[in-house]
Amino acid sequence: QITLKESGPTLVKPTQTLTLTCTFSGFSLSTSGVGVGWIRQPPGKALEWLALIYWDDDKRYSPSLKSRLTITKDTSKNQVLLKMTNMDPVDTATYYCARSARSGTYSWMADYWGQGTLVTVSS
Amino acid sequence: DIQMTQSPSSLSASVGDRLTITCRASQSISSYLNWYQQKPGKAPKLLIYTASSLQSGVPSRFSGSGSGTDFTLTISSLQPEDFATYYCQQSYTTPWTFGQGTKVEIK
Repeated sequence: QITLKESGPTLVKPTQTLTLTCTFSGFSLSTSGVGVGWIRQPPGKALEWLALIYWDDDKRYSPSLKSRLTITKDTSKNQVLLKMTNMDPVDTATYYCARSARSGTYSWMADYWGQGTLVTVSS
Repeated sequence: DIQMTQSPSSLSASVGDRLTITCRASQSISSYLNWYQQKPGKAPKLLIYTASSLQSGVPSRFSGSGSGTDFTLTISSLQPEDFATYYCQQSYTTPWTFGQGTKVEIK
């Protein structure tokens, strides 16, 4: 059974750095064709893809947020971390982590999601 | 970034209706298009991947089609549990991008 769960602060102040942890089970991030990504959703709005780390440690970021994001993995702990610097109230959102899996040679999808964690940015 | 545009943004339908949601990409994405369902307060759930492949456990009333820039999600006979918001997402290239969502409401 594959599960993912996000953890981290629910409230951060503007300009602070947010660190979120995704703890997963049921798969290994050292397996070829697997990744873990982060997606966020402001209240009442659409999904926004943030970052993805692959089994081989390749990392991809949203260009609009790249300067603020860092994604890392700890394969031994089955965890993926996301750091976002210089938080602003517009970053208030539910943050999801999701396993990304490859089907065939090139097709990728987010097939398992965590429950999400609401992060509010306010002074 | 590749822009994904869904239509309509919302719709009202009745149980038993056949429903089609459209997703258009700003450039060709081959068949690298996924569909997700999201219910209020819940995480998205993968329904369809690679444009037309049904995710394991998803009812067969859901189907997807298309390639290039134009894609559709069809629900053959709407059930009460299908009232939700649906998102398309391209995985042709990073950054992965989502459509703005289509909210399906009860008529």
